[in-house]
Amino acid sequence: ETGVTQSPTHLIKTRGQQVTLRCSSQSGHNTVSWYQQALGQGPQFIFQYYREEENGRGNFPPRFSGLQFPNYSSELNVNALELDDSALYLCASSSSRGQYGYTFGSGTRLTVV
Amino acid sequence: KQEVTQIPAALSVPEGENLVLNCSFTDSAIYNLQWFRQDPGKGLTSLLLIQSSQREQTSGRLNASLDKSSGRSTLYIAASQPGDSATYLCAVRTTDSWGKFQFGAGTQVVVTP
Repeated sequence: ETGVTQSPTHLIKTRGQQVTLRCSSQSGHNTVSWYQQALGQGPQFIFQYYREEENGRGNFPPRFSGLQFPNYSSELNVNALELDDSALYLCASSSSRGQYGYTFGSGTRLTVV
Repeated sequence: KQEVTQIPAALSVPEGENLVLNCSFTDSAIYNLQWFRQDPGKGLTSLLLIQSSQREQTSGRLNASLDKSSGRSTLYIAASQPGDSATYLCAVRTTDSWGKFQFGAGTQVVVTP
């Protein structure tokens, strides 16, 4: 059984650019959530996808968008990058919308300069 | 709105001592609560999941309790080891949150040899 895989592990972008982060969910999981973690803080919920539909969103602007594919992998897209978007982005997957808890990936460290 | 607080923010203990980490939450209508461990710059590793109907969960040297009425969970780590040094995060999912976890800011633990 494989865990949650995120790519890339590190990324440096320039302010105003766009970025796509990828997540492969754990085998058997149909729910994917994305979180943003700034340095020294707890993760903040961005949104969740269940069976390819967004079914929950945190307090993030529309320039944060996502997709879930038929194999339940997912993408997080961020447009018009700002310096404050620099953070660790975490993907988590679960079955049955988290009834049995979530498994997190190792994250993507995004630096915006 | 669910708020999660973890006290203390940092803790240093000598090897062999028991660790007691606290998590408090404001909304008792929780679905479940999950404890995670995070090593510097890394993703989250799940330690224990407690469903709302449970009072505690145990795994090896770890024990987590849940008291919904007082809005508290406690993570106990017995006979601490230097390898237990990490940040410990508490995450609460409320019943109407569609899978969104509200995280605390974490307790940073250092176990000295």
